[in-house]
Amino acid sequence: EADIYQTPRYLVIGTGKKITLECSQTMGHDKMYWYQQDPGMELHLIHYSYGVNSTEKGDLSSESTVSRIRTEHFPLTLESARPSHTSQYLCASSDMMALYGYTFGSGTRLTVV
Amino acid sequence: AQTVTQSQPEMSVQEAETVTLSCTYDTSENNYYLFWYKQPPSRQMILVIRQEAYKQQNATENRFSVNFQKAAKSFSLKISDSQLGDTAMYFCAFMKQDDYKLSFGAGTTVTVRA
Repeated sequence: EADIYQTPRYLVIGTGKKITLECSQTMGHDKMYWYQQDPGMELHLIHYSYGVNSTEKGDLSSESTVSRIRTEHFPLTLESARPSHTSQYLCASSDMMALYGYTFGSGTRLTVV
Repeated sequence: AQTVTQSQPEMSVQEAETVTLSCTYDTSENNYYLFWYKQPPSRQMILVIRQEAYKQQNATENRFSVNFQKAAKSFSLKISDSQLGDTAMYFCAFMKQDDYKLSFGAGTTVTVRA
């Protein structure tokens, strides 16, 4: 079944560690997105990609980085995690025109202690 | 980013009753798309309903319908015959044509009571 997968689902990690949040989709979508969502709050776009080797920063400034080497894979990396990075991170994808919005992953809830 | 405003942080409704969630947005664009997404507790966000700005007819998906008022920049969601499984956070979202980026409101938490 075509879907979008995020791992891990939950992550608790110490300050200063490097982490990578994985996101993969099996729908062949060109466009992929990362949103940050604090508890009970709206979603803020932090990164997006419109194709392989194309990445852009979103509306909310983030210390994270992303890469898009393969169409189906859009990982997000934090080189040195801090408590301020504690949040939920949602990955999404859409077809070329995004007329039907996005398909979202289940999210990664990150806690930095 | 476009501004999307959901003025109701929380709503509660009795099972089988109707609830309406409000959403307003700010844009100078003429062509755009509006969406309502549902995010159940600890579960994947899913699309509930969408509306194209150039269509005057309000979208309907089973028990979910919208009231789209373009001039007023309003896009409310009505959930009819509420079910316990409708308990979730609901987000209104806006996308300019050919922009592909969704802007979300702050969300409304809907609780359906048995």
